[in-house]
Amino acid sequence: KAGVTQTPRYLIKTRGQQVTLSCSPISGHRSVSWYQQTPGQGLQFLFEYFSETQRNKGNFPGRFSGRQFSNSRSEMNVSTLELGDSALYLCASSLGGGDRWSSANYGYTFGSGTRLTVV
Amino acid sequence: AQSVTQPDIHITVSEGASLELRCNYSYGATPYLFWYVQSPGQGLQLLLKYFSGDTLVQGIKGFEAEFKRSQSSFNLRKPSVHWSDAAEYFCAVGGLARAGTALIFGKGTTLSVSS
Repeated sequence: KAGVTQTPRYLIKTRGQQVTLSCSPISGHRSVSWYQQTPGQGLQFLFEYFSETQRNKGNFPGRFSGRQFSNSRSEMNVSTLELGDSALYLCASSLGGGDRWSSANYGYTFGSGTRLTVV
Repeated sequence: AQSVTQPDIHITVSEGASLELRCNYSYGATPYLFWYVQSPGQGLQLLLKYFSGDTLVQGIKGFEAEFKRSQSSFNLRKPSVHWSDAAEYFCAVGGLARAGTALIFGKGTTLSVSS
């Protein structure tokens, strides 16, 4: 079956612009999480959605937002881009029910990521 | 501070030699423990996970990991490394009350394989 699909794979944006990244989870998975990966900070949790509701949020500024649609597809948006937002953004989906136990028990399947470069 | 520590930033192993990658966590209760692998330009692939039961866990690609509660460790091992194992390896914890559904990752260990 198809894995987690992230589009686009690569993006180059200018400081001050905004960007939208898309994630299609594995069929049947209703939980979608987003992570930012940078050389300096490593992998950091952004937020998690289940059934169109944000269930968990990491320690990122309000410029980072997301949403989930009724078909479980998710988007994340970054407004007023800064150079430090350059990163690999990874999406992960889970069969979990949006709680920490089922999410961890089922585990997460990651997509290949979107590489965002801010110039 | 509560954290996930991978003490080795970079390891080089000869092809055919054994491998052990270290991971320590500092959380009170035993969390869910994961090992992921990331090839250049790719996402994360789950190698194995542990929560309870047998402390020696078998994963994909010939990897195994051993949970040691007394040492708060979850080390990844492989008896014979192949050149295709060269990648970055991440240890992660999940199921934490303070983190909710988030996975907390270590900084990663880069594995190079020499011929």
